[in-house]
Amino acid sequence: KNEVEQSPQNLTAQEGEFITINCSYSVGISALHWLQQHPGGGIVSLFMLSSGKKKHGRLIATINIQEKHSSLHITASHPRDSAVYICAVDRGEGAQKLVFGQGTRLTINP
Amino acid sequence: NAGVMQNPRHLVRRRGQEARLRCSPMKGHSHVYWYRQLPEEGLKFMVYLQKENIIDESGMPKERFSAEFPKEGPSILRIQQVVRGDSAAYFCASSRLQGEKLFFGSGTQLSVL
Repeated sequence: KNEVEQSPQNLTAQEGEFITINCSYSVGISALHWLQQHPGGGIVSLFMLSSGKKKHGRLIATINIQEKHSSLHITASHPRDSAVYICAVDRGEGAQKLVFGQGTRLTINP
Repeated sequence: NAGVMQNPRHLVRRRGQEARLRCSPMKGHSHVYWYRQLPEEGLKFMVYLQKENIIDESGMPKERFSAEFPKEGPSILRIQQVVRGDSAAYFCASSRLQGEKLFFGSGTQLSVL
């Protein structure tokens, strides 16, 4: 079993819908990262969080340390949000030796 | 303030050749991380370097792979005697301090013929 599991693996929605992507992990962590990988392959770090909730524009990330679970929400989704969203955990061993989920491929149709 | 720069974007090598991948971190960042994304697989940690030091190379294959981050110039990931299984996207990331937000480069797509 992977240490980091994401769901769903694929998600297709209509423009304007509220999107939720889930991430569960089975190890102790010092931080959790949400990344966005564009169709061209480039990776952007969206959030790094160790507790609570963070918001940036239409994106919201939450984490529940006790339940070992994090969610990424997108409000008022847009076709430009189409990308692969990757959850990664830092096990706190130093080195930002991140363990990555398999990613969620999001497609937003106009 | 330029982001993390990786070059080349695409690199084609024949089996047995050497591949050299370069990564220039963001200005002011002294921590560099290399990750590999094999086809249809998730990203995996390879190596963590600070200037002139390899801090953690536990994710790097024991043979043929090496990495450096010299006092001057970019970090280099070197793969000797490449094989088809080395074909992957190689991403570099940097941070100002360990444990801080990562900034990723655009990656180098290595194709081994």
